[in-house]
Amino acid sequence: GAVVSQHPSRVICKSGTSVKIECRSLDFQATTMFWYRQFPKQSLMLMATSNEGSKATYEQGVEKDKFLINHASLTLSTLTVTSAHPEDSSFYICSARVPWQRDYGYTFGSGTRLTVV
Amino acid sequence: GENVEQHPSTLSVQEGDSAVIKCTYSDSASNYFPWYKQELGKRPQLIIDIRSNVGEKKDQRIAVTLNKTAKHFSLHITETQPEDSAVYFCAAQVRNTPLVFGKGTRLSVIA
Repeated sequence: GAVVSQHPSRVICKSGTSVKIECRSLDFQATTMFWYRQFPKQSLMLMATSNEGSKATYEQGVEKDKFLINHASLTLSTLTVTSAHPEDSSFYICSARVPWQRDYGYTFGSGTRLTVV
Repeated sequence: GENVEQHPSTLSVQEGDSAVIKCTYSDSASNYFPWYKQELGKRPQLIIDIRSNVGEKKDQRIAVTLNKTAKHFSLHITETQPEDSAVYFCAAQVRNTPLVFGKGTRLSVIA
């Protein structure tokens, strides 16, 4: 149980275009989804926290107009990288809290490797 | 906010030897400390975790120790095998807040 499906796994896009990444919780309702970014050989850095039905909370230094997060339902959260640039190339991973693992317990999506050319 | 430091950044051990990775955290309110293993291009996988009311936890070849007073916790892998080679991340969490990750340790087990 507690599977988060993330798509696409890899995407290459041209500078200036937008890319949408989806994370779906398959067997549970994810009221909260965390979005992380991981540059090569670096750690996972939290970008934002999305809550179903409300605006996402962005970490300091993360442009909310560039990284649009939508959590329109209890099973779907999306991250849209708008007007992508080469420096946005990274590994993006979502993570959701598992509701039946009291207080703690997170499951991760499989990640999306974004390359902007 | 919470800050997690992790050492070493790289670690090479001979197969069969033990590996130890250490992390410190800054927020005394943190009460959950998971360790993740991440292989190249894949999602982090939880390998063991510990809560603040426990000092040590063991699962076969893997163990984690926690010293709340000193605010540090460690991952111990015994009898290392080549398939243990990966990047390991520690994390700390205050209840109901996001995980804060360390910078990772690249473990290489040499056959």
